[in-house]
Formats: sequence, structure tokens, C-alpha cells
Amino acid sequence: KQEVTQIPAALSVPEGENLVLNCSFTDSAIYNLQWFRQDPGKGLTSLLLIQSSQREQTSGRLNASLDKSSGRSTLYIAASQPGDSATYLCAVRPLGAGNMLTFGGGTRLMVKP
Amino acid sequence: DGGITQSPKYLFRKEGQNVTLSCEQNLNHDAMYWYRQDPGQGLRLIYYSQIVNDFQKGDIAEGYSVSREKKESFPLTVTSAQKNPTAFYLCASSTGQGAGYGYTFGSGTRLTVV
Repeated sequence: KQEVTQIPAALSVPEGENLVLNCSFTDSAIYNLQWFRQDPGKGLTSLLLIQSSQREQTSGRLNASLDKSSGRSTLYIAASQPGDSATYLCAVRPLGAGNMLTFGGGTRLMVKP
Repeated sequence: DGGITQSPKYLFRKEGQNVTLSCEQNLNHDAMYWYRQDPGQGLRLIYYSQIVNDFQKGDIAEGYSVSREKKESFPLTVTSAQKNPTAFYLCASSTGQGAGYGYTFGSGTRLTVV
């Protein structure tokens, strides 16, 4: 059974720092990996989707990488801002499981001004 | 703008009462999903539907029921058999089964038992 782990569970950084969030998964047979952002009491907003054949995706200050063979993905946030404070979730879509995502537990990020 | 609409945003249920959460999408997505989120826990799949008039149980389906009579709509009923229904409920949709397809989520419904 696919398992997804996110480390650390919580992170507090001063404004302006570059930071890396980690996601690991146990089964490399995946269609894709998706990173989401969730603000308190809100739904999930998709940030980046990396297909299994891709190594990375970029959107603005965000860069996500995928190393399928080692079961790892990282989300890099450049020049962090207080508005980046949220919970970040990664999810993988395994091969052969239709469209059902498996989620990690999330990393709760706080960026202090 | 295309998206997923969940209503209501907040819902209060009395003991022994059934309540229905609404989920509507105008993205023309084939598949729809219901997740439950509890504090300190990850998202858990309740039910999913990949086509109209068909749905499957997820990991925690007991005490819940769904219907999929229209492509755009996937309502979730929380029955009195669900002993601990207080949680945040998220609806999602997706299209296709290729590697380039991701999920879109609604804004959620917070259900509280009073």
C-alpha cells in the first residue's frame, strides 16, 4: 500500500528565507505527484503537478522536483513571505489505482515578518 | 469561471439526524470524490465516483451515503450511523487518467454535531 510522508510536520522561518519542504512515498509506480496549499478553514489549492516522466515544475517562486526512483519530491519556496504561511500537502496518484490520490500529512509553514 | 462549489460552508447536526452536503462542479470532470479531514490527520477518502450512476466506497465509508445522478453533482449524506461526524469535508473532481491530470478541490464544509 502506498504511503506518503511529509517532513517536517511544522516549520517556522523568518521572512526572506529560502526553504525546502520534503515529501517521500513508498511505491515509485505513480502517474504524478501534486503539491497543494491549504489555508486555515479553507479548501486545497493546487500549486504544482509533476508528471511521472518529469523531473521538476516551476511556478513563480515555487519549484517542485521529483525523483521517482528514490520516492522523493521537494517543494522549494524562494524568498519566503508571510503570505506563504499555510499548510502544504503533497499527494501521489498511484498507477493502477484509478484516480485516487494518497496524501501526506502536510507541513504547516509559518513565515514570520 | 469553472470550479467546484460546496454548500453550506458551515453545518450543524443534532444527534440522530441525517444531513446532506452539496458538491457541484462545472468543470465537466468525470470523476468526483469526498474526503474527510480531521485536525492533525491527513485526508481520508469517503466515497468516489468515476462515472454517472456509479460510485465506490473509500477507506471510511461507514455511516455515509452518496448519489451520482448527474455528472455535475455528487452529494454526500452523513447518516445517524456515523458516530463521530464532526470534521471538515472536502469535495474534489478530476478528469482523465493520464499523468497530466490533477485534482481540483472545493472550499469545504465544516460539520459540527451539537
